[in-house]
Amino acid sequence: DARVTQTPRHKVTEMGQEVTMRCQPILGHNTVFWYRQTMMQGLELLAYFRNRAPLDDSGMPKDRFSAEMPDATLATLKIQPSEPRDSAVYFCASGLRVGIGLAGTDTQYFGPGTRLTVL
Amino acid sequence: AQKITQTQPGMFVQEKEAVTLDCTYDTSDQSYGLFWYKQPSSGEMIFLIYQGSYDEQNATEGRYSLNFQKARKSANLVISASQLGDSAMYFCAMREVSSASKIIFGSGTRLSIRP
Repeated sequence: DARVTQTPRHKVTEMGQEVTMRCQPILGHNTVFWYRQTMMQGLELLAYFRNRAPLDDSGMPKDRFSAEMPDATLATLKIQPSEPRDSAVYFCASGLRVGIGLAGTDTQYFGPGTRLTVL
Repeated sequence: AQKITQTQPGMFVQEKEAVTLDCTYDTSDQSYGLFWYKQPSSGEMIFLIYQGSYDEQNATEGRYSLNFQKARKSANLVISASQLGDSAMYFCAMREVSSASKIIFGSGTRLSIRP
C-alpha cells in the first residue's frame, strides 16, 4: 500500500528557529507538491516539482521559505527564520504526470501532514 | 475571482440518506480535470474521485459519483447511502491544462452525518 510519508508529524518551535519538513513521495511518482492549510486561508499551494525540477514556487514567501528535492525519494520544505504566522499544517502530495496537454490522470495523493506550531 | 466555489460551509444529513455537495468552477480552458477530496478529523486528505472535462460519462467510485454539468460549470459530489464515517470536510478541486499540474482547491464543505 504505497503512501506519501512526512516527517515530523508534529513540530513545536520558537520564533526565529529553523524548521525543516521532509516528504517521501510514492515511489515512481514524478510530481511533488507542498501545501499549507490554515483555518483562515484554507489549502494553499506553496510549491511543486516535476522530475525534481521546481515548476512553480509562486505561493511561497521567498525570503524565508525554500523547497528542494535532493533526490527522487526526498522533498524538503525549510523555513528560516520561522514566525508565529507560519503555524499551520503542511501537506506534501505526489502524483504521476503522464502525457501532455490533457487534464487526465495526475491525481495527487497526500501525506498525513506536519502540524507546525511556532511560538 | 474564485476559481472553485463551494457554497455550503456545512451540512447535516441523516445516516443512509443520499447527499449532494455542490461545487462550481470557473475556467476558460477547454481541457481541465475536477477532483474531490475528503478530509476526516484525523487530518489526512483522501482522494475520492476524478472527472476529466472531455469525459462523457459521469465518474463513479463506489458510493461516490460526480454529477458533471459542463455547460453550468458544476461538478457536484453525490454520496449515496451515507454512513457515519462520511462525516468530514470535503474539498472540490480543479486542474487546468494551462497551469500544468497545479490544482486549486475550494474552501470545503463540512458534512456531518446524524445517526
